[in-house]
Amino acid sequence: DAGVIQSPRHEVTEMGQEVTLRCKPISGHNSLFWYRQTMMRGLELLIYFNNNVPIDDSGMPEDRFSAKMPNASFSTLKIQPSEPRDSAVYFCASSSGPSGTDTQYFGPGTRLTVL
Amino acid sequence: DQQVKQNSPSLSVQEGRISILNCDYTNSMFDYFLWYKKYPAEGPTFLISISSIKDKNEDGRFTVFLNKSAKHLSLHIVPSQPGDSAVYFCAASRFAGNKLTFGGGTRVLVKP
Repeated sequence: DAGVIQSPRHEVTEMGQEVTLRCKPISGHNSLFWYRQTMMRGLELLIYFNNNVPIDDSGMPEDRFSAKMPNASFSTLKIQPSEPRDSAVYFCASSSGPSGTDTQYFGPGTRLTVL
Repeated sequence: DQQVKQNSPSLSVQEGRISILNCDYTNSMFDYFLWYKKYPAEGPTFLISISSIKDKNEDGRFTVFLNKSAKHLSLHIVPSQPGDSAVYFCAASRFAGNKLTFGGGTRVLVKP
């Protein structure tokens, strides 16, 4: 029974390059979340989708960040251009419903390093 | 503005003893609270939750207590086991929406 799948697991890039992180949610889940974990800010929600529609993107730090969910089984988080301060672990999570009581299941994360 | 705070960044406890992790929140609109556990190089995994209509929820060795008037919750692990060594995150949300707000985490080390 596959959980949330994220790729790549590690990404090292140079400042100014475009970075694309990928996520496959658990089959049947209709809510998807992107989180970022840093030492300074901890684990913070960037954006979440319900039924492939972005519901709340207030956590997206700036226009360099964009997220898409073209279908129920795939989402991307893109950073263009990347900056060293974007270095963090990015987690994707999914849940079966839109309620705060629906358990969110997290992927293993993508560790991004921007040089 | 940290709406969910875990003031103890780390905790060390002997195997078999009780681990007590604390969490405070400021937003009175939160009505659902969760604890997640995280091992290195893995994503957080759900541990236990409690709704604001309860003051205690128990699941095996894990018990969460909620004090709404103090805006405080705690997680008790008893007895603690070496496999419990991990980072524990407190989180809060509202029934009406699934946006989780996390605390900064507490690193627990259980010594054999």
